[in-house]
Amino acid sequence: KAGVTQTPRYLIKTRGQQVTLSCSPISGHRSVSWYQQTPGQGLQFLFEYFSETQRNKGNFPGRFSGRQFSNSRSEMNVSTLELGDSALYLCASSGRQGLTDTQYFGPGTRLTVL
Amino acid sequence: QKEVEQNSGPLSVPEGAIASLNCTYSDRGSQSFFWYRQYSGKSPELIMSIYSNGDKEDGRFTAQLNKASQYVSLLIRDSQPSDSATYLCAVRGSSASKIIFGSGTRLSIRP
Repeated sequence: KAGVTQTPRYLIKTRGQQVTLSCSPISGHRSVSWYQQTPGQGLQFLFEYFSETQRNKGNFPGRFSGRQFSNSRSEMNVSTLELGDSALYLCASSGRQGLTDTQYFGPGTRLTVL
Repeated sequence: QKEVEQNSGPLSVPEGAIASLNCTYSDRGSQSFFWYRQYSGKSPELIMSIYSNGDKEDGRFTAQLNKASQYVSLLIRDSQPSDSATYLCAVRGSSASKIIFGSGTRLSIRP
């Protein structure tokens, strides 16, 4: 079974631009979560989508948004990029394992904002 | 108080010894507990999940859960240099709630 895929793997943008990242979950998984990881802040939860609806949301500004399509693929968008948005963005999909959902991570998209 | 707490390390363990990684959590209603391993520059990979009090073993790894003490640990037996990584503890309240990650413990296995 193919794992979680994320595109693009690397991205360089300048301040003020916007960016869209894509995530394809493991086949059959309906939940997709997004995380931001920086050396100083660790793994920070952005949001989770389940069946095209946002189910959980982290404490990020409205510049960060996401959506999920009917095939469970998900995108996240960051508008008006800031230097501090430089990070590894990770997507994780969830499927049933044992008693509850377990998340499996994609390889991530490394975003650099100049 | 952080929701999931881990000692950031680094934890240095000699090759062949047992590495013990600890994690505490604040939500007493938490139901699912996970350990992930993350190599530098890579994404986290699942090592183990545990849901019931007690021990769960998988190869050289043993996860231990004590819900009364709100404590979960990971033991790595016969530590190898390839075990050197950051280990993330994660906790989920219910299947519909988000997973909360600790900040990770950096483990270094010295030859």
